[in-house]
Amino acid sequence: EAQVTQNPRYLITVTGKKLTVTCSQNMNHEYMSWYRQDPGLGLRQIYYSMNVEVTDKGDVPEGYKVSRKEKRNFPLILESPSPNQTSLYFCASSSYVRDRAKNIQYFGAGTRLSVL
Amino acid sequence: RKEVEQDPGPFNVPEGATVAFNCTYSNSASQSFFWYRQDCRKEPKLLMSVYSSGNEDGRFTAQLNRASQYISLLIRDSKLSDSATYLCGGTSYGKLTFGQGTILTVHP
Repeated sequence: EAQVTQNPRYLITVTGKKLTVTCSQNMNHEYMSWYRQDPGLGLRQIYYSMNVEVTDKGDVPEGYKVSRKEKRNFPLILESPSPNQTSLYFCASSSYVRDRAKNIQYFGAGTRLSVL
Repeated sequence: RKEVEQDPGPFNVPEGATVAFNCTYSNSASQSFFWYRQDCRKEPKLLMSVYSSGNEDGRFTAQLNRASQYISLLIRDSKLSDSATYLCGGTSYGKLTFGQGTILTVHP
């Protein structure tokens, strides 16, 4: 089954304790991305990756790091989490096709993070 | 100004109603557009891609107006199951930007 898998689904942590949220896709997609979703602000892109070893900042990259060492994995790293990073996080992936209207993003089920 | 802006909503309509959402985008380099549906606390799922010529899928019709830089979604004969948040999105060189979403509630 084609899917994007995020772990963990729920995480409560304390300020300053480094954490990693993993994201894996089994569709051989080139493009992967991380978003955070907050009430009234919608989905905001944190980082994205066009392919292995190619990453770029989205709209809200401060306080986050990513890596893309393998095509299937795109972990999100919070080196020193703070309470303003409490949010719902989504990973997504898509493949490039000639018809850009078909560059559909598939989302993971989400990670609900609380930083105390 | 946000790159993608949506009707603030929320929309509260009776079953059977027709409802329309609009979304404007500021980046003229945006290449493709989508409507996603998101149920409460779940991940967004693609509802429709939006083509320049307009496209229809059952009760749903999407339109793109590049000159005015907006996209629209029309839902006819609303069902209770259409209640969700609808997100418009546009891509530019691989980067997908979403609007803040519009909440639709369809009531009996």
